[in-house]
Amino acid sequence: AQSVAQPEDQVNVAEGNPLTVKCTYSVSGNPYLFWYVQYPNRGLQFLLKYITGDNLVKGSYGFEAEFNKSQTSFHLKKPSALVSDSALYFCAVRPGSSNTGKLIFGQGTTLQVKP
Amino acid sequence: NAGVTQTPKFRVLKTGQSMTLLCAQDMNHEYMYWYRQDPGMGLRLIHYSVGEGTTAKGEVPDGYNVSRLKKQNFLLGLESAAPSQTSVYFCASSSLAGATYEQYFGPGTRLTVT
Repeated sequence: AQSVAQPEDQVNVAEGNPLTVKCTYSVSGNPYLFWYVQYPNRGLQFLLKYITGDNLVKGSYGFEAEFNKSQTSFHLKKPSALVSDSALYFCAVRPGSSNTGKLIFGQGTTLQVKP
Repeated sequence: NAGVTQTPKFRVLKTGQSMTLLCAQDMNHEYMYWYRQDPGMGLRLIHYSVGEGTTAKGEVPDGYNVSRLKKQNFLLGLESAAPSQTSVYFCASSSLAGATYEQYFGPGTRLTVT
């Protein structure tokens, strides 16, 4: 079965420290990978995506993510966390075989950045 | 350019009542989706549409119906609401152009069924 896993329900980081939010996937074909952020009582906002090319992709608000094909991972990173980064983060994947645009979402990871 | 909008923002229903959630997008996107979000379960796809007049079932379609009579609108219907349908509902859309399938989300509808 095709799936996305975010192994941590919550990640706690001190402001100014680097952060990593983990994501692994299991899909057929070459995946398209996405990260979204959700602030309280808001819809999901797109952060970044990997389609092809350089394994390190940069996105909004200073976030980046590294695609690792051998480990089937797409971890979200930021060199220096801000309190305002505190939110719910979703990893999503479009299976390579899909032509409907459907995405499979992970269960989400709450990022808590403390001052 | 409003992006994706959803109506209403909040609704409380009694068991057995019906309602329709409206999603509208002004980006001329071909694809539209309805998700529900429940704590610890991420987003689950209810129904989706790849074009005007076409709809298809997603992961959790039971108890819901959809229609896409116009390209910009995607309606989600609950014919007989149940407490298990208490959730936050999100609509999203994406473009066929570029084939990257990045989805744009609406602000959500919080539905409570008592």
